Amino acid sequence: AQTVTQSQPEMSVQEAETVTLSCTYDTSENNYYLFWYKQPPSRQMILVIRQEAYKQQNATENRFSVNFQKAAKSFSLKISDSQLGDTAMYFCAFMKLLSGNTPLVFGKGTRLSVIA
Amino acid sequence: EPEVTQTPSHQVTQMGQEVILRCVPISNHLYFYWYRQILGQKVEFLVSFYNNEISEKSEIFDDQFSVERPDGSNFTLKIRSTKLEDSAMYFCASSVETGGNTIYFGEGSWLTVV
Repeated sequence: AQTVTQSQPEMSVQEAETVTLSCTYDTSENNYYLFWYKQPPSRQMILVIRQEAYKQQNATENRFSVNFQKAAKSFSLKISDSQLGDTAMYFCAFMKLLSGNTPLVFGKGTRLSVIA
Repeated sequence: EPEVTQTPSHQVTQMGQEVILRCVPISNHLYFYWYRQILGQKVEFLVSFYNNEISEKSEIFDDQFSVERPDGSNFTLKIRSTKLEDSAMYFCASSVETGGNTIYFGEGSWLTVV
């Protein structure tokens, strides 16, 4: 079974600074997807970024980028120029690449606070 | 932008009562899911649904749970006899395809069992 570990329960960052959230995972699969979801106080789950394991290039979405290290099974999220609206719970998630509905496996989350 | 919508946003129910949570997935999506998040814990998969049948379910999804797509737009989760430990946020989600396609979540239905 796959597991996702987020070792930082809480983090804080000053507005406009950069912060990196850690995620490691355990799998015997070779093909899979990784995601970061954001859950603000409104509690909606919002997709931040996704990475296909077969791609070596790290995914980037505006101020959000990942450092994907397949051999180390590491998938960290970097938020540049942090904004107050980035305050949220961030969940790392794993999905096998198979036919059929493969569920997302989530980590326990990292609570990020952006401080003015 | 199309989104997954859920009703109700919050429901309080007595232990032992039946609850139906409703969801309208994104219109061109074919795969539907329910996830659950107990307060302070991680999001957990309950069930996935495709072509009018369950395609995968977790250990949490026992006989008290059922899902249905009663018409072309709604996707429901029924909890037959609620227990205190069913109190959680229930997220509906959908995706166009499987195999790594992005899963889009609704805003959740917060269920409190008293």
